[in-house]
Amino acid sequence: DGGITQSPKYLFRKEGQNVTLSCEQNLNHDAMYWYRQDPGQGLRLIYYSQIVNDFQKGDIAEGYSVSREKKESFPLTVTSAQKNPTAFYLCASNPGHDWGNSPLHFGNGTRLTVT
Amino acid sequence: AQTVTQSQPEMSVQEAETVTLSCTYDTSENNYYLFWYKQPPSRQMILVIRQEAYKQQNATENRFSVNFQKAAKSFSLKISDSQLGDTAMYFCAFMKNYGGSQGNLIFGKGTKLSVKP
Repeated sequence: DGGITQSPKYLFRKEGQNVTLSCEQNLNHDAMYWYRQDPGQGLRLIYYSQIVNDFQKGDIAEGYSVSREKKESFPLTVTSAQKNPTAFYLCASNPGHDWGNSPLHFGNGTRLTVT
Repeated sequence: AQTVTQSQPEMSVQEAETVTLSCTYDTSENNYYLFWYKQPPSRQMILVIRQEAYKQQNATENRFSVNFQKAAKSFSLKISDSQLGDTAMYFCAFMKNYGGSQGNLIFGKGTKLSVKP
């Protein structure tokens, strides 16, 4: 079955360390997204990529970095510059065309806790 | 910039009854889509229903229907015959249909719905 895989489900890090969250999709989708979810805040867009080797900042990109070297993969690095990194992170994808009829497919998320 | 507002942080409904979740949005665009997503306790995001702004007919998916009022910029979700499995966070979302940020969803803060037996 096609889908989006985020790993790990839970991640713990010490403050000051960079950490990379994995997102892999086998849906052959061109576009991929990273959202952050905090209690009472809904989902906020961190970064998105509509094609390999290209990505754009979303609304809250500060303290994060991404790469898109392969169509299937869109890893997110939470750097030590991110002031409040503890959150639930969701990766999503869509085909990259016919936008309204192809809404986002989401992974199951990674819960990051930084202490 | 577009914004999406869900004014009801929490709601509850008795099983088998009907409940309506509110959503308003602010945009100067004319070509866009609106969505309702459900997030159960598993935290998996599930698309419930979508509406194209240029279609006047309200979308319906089984027990879920919307009341889309374009002039009022309102997009409410009605759940009929509520079931225990409908217990979840519900997010309203907006998406432009053109320009470089196509596909980027703007989400409201969510409404936590509890269905009581």
